[in-house]
Amino acid sequence: QVQLQESGPGLVRPSQTLSLTCAVSGDSISSGSYYWSWIRQPAGKGLEWIGRIYISGSTNYNPSLKSRVTISVDTSKNQFSLKLSSVTAADTALYYCARESVGYSSSHYYHAMDVWGQGTTVTVSS
Amino acid sequence: DIQMTQSPSSLSASVGDRVTITCQARQDITNYLNWYQQKPGKAPKLLIYDASNLETGVPSRFSGSGSGTDFTFTISSLQPEDIATYYCQQYDNLPWTFGQGTKVEIK
Repeated sequence: QVQLQESGPGLVRPSQTLSLTCAVSGDSISSGSYYWSWIRQPAGKGLEWIGRIYISGSTNYNPSLKSRVTISVDTSKNQFSLKLSSVTAADTALYYCARESVGYSSSHYYHAMDVWGQGTTVTVSS
Repeated sequence: DIQMTQSPSSLSASVGDRVTITCQARQDITNYLNWYQQKPGKAPKLLIYDASNLETGVPSRFSGSGSGTDFTFTISSLQPEDIATYYCQQYDNLPWTFGQGTKVEIK
């Protein structure tokens, strides 16, 4: 059973870079048709998709964050990472990593985030 | 970005009631829609993928339907453990986007 676990500093200073890692256990990050994603949720608010990476290294980012986001993968450590630069208080949120599975149904491909980490809270404050 | 609008934002129902949540996309997304359940203090959990397919292990009282721009999520008989916020999410176009959520409470 695949499990994801986020880790990283809980407090980041404004204008600095937020760095989080998601460790994958129970399976190789290189196996299967999966994207590895980051999603965030400000306290009491909804979910915002940040971006994803495929094992080939191909990435997709939310245009609202694209200029500040980098997602990378380290297959040797079975983990992937998020970097968000020039953070402000607006980046304070609960950050989740998730696995996005790709399947085939009714003559088309579907995408669904079927495994999630427990989340890690990041506060941006001086 | 494709805007997803859920209604209602919250609802209160009795145990055993049928609960329905709607999700509307600003443009046609075929049936490229998922539903997630988020219990307080927990990560979201996938319940329905591809608009109407039940994820493995999810109770059959949960169901989804719809296509195009209008989608429905139903709990056929509300149980106490269903207290949560439910989100729809489209995967027709990047960036993936979520509805604002519907909080379900027990009356």
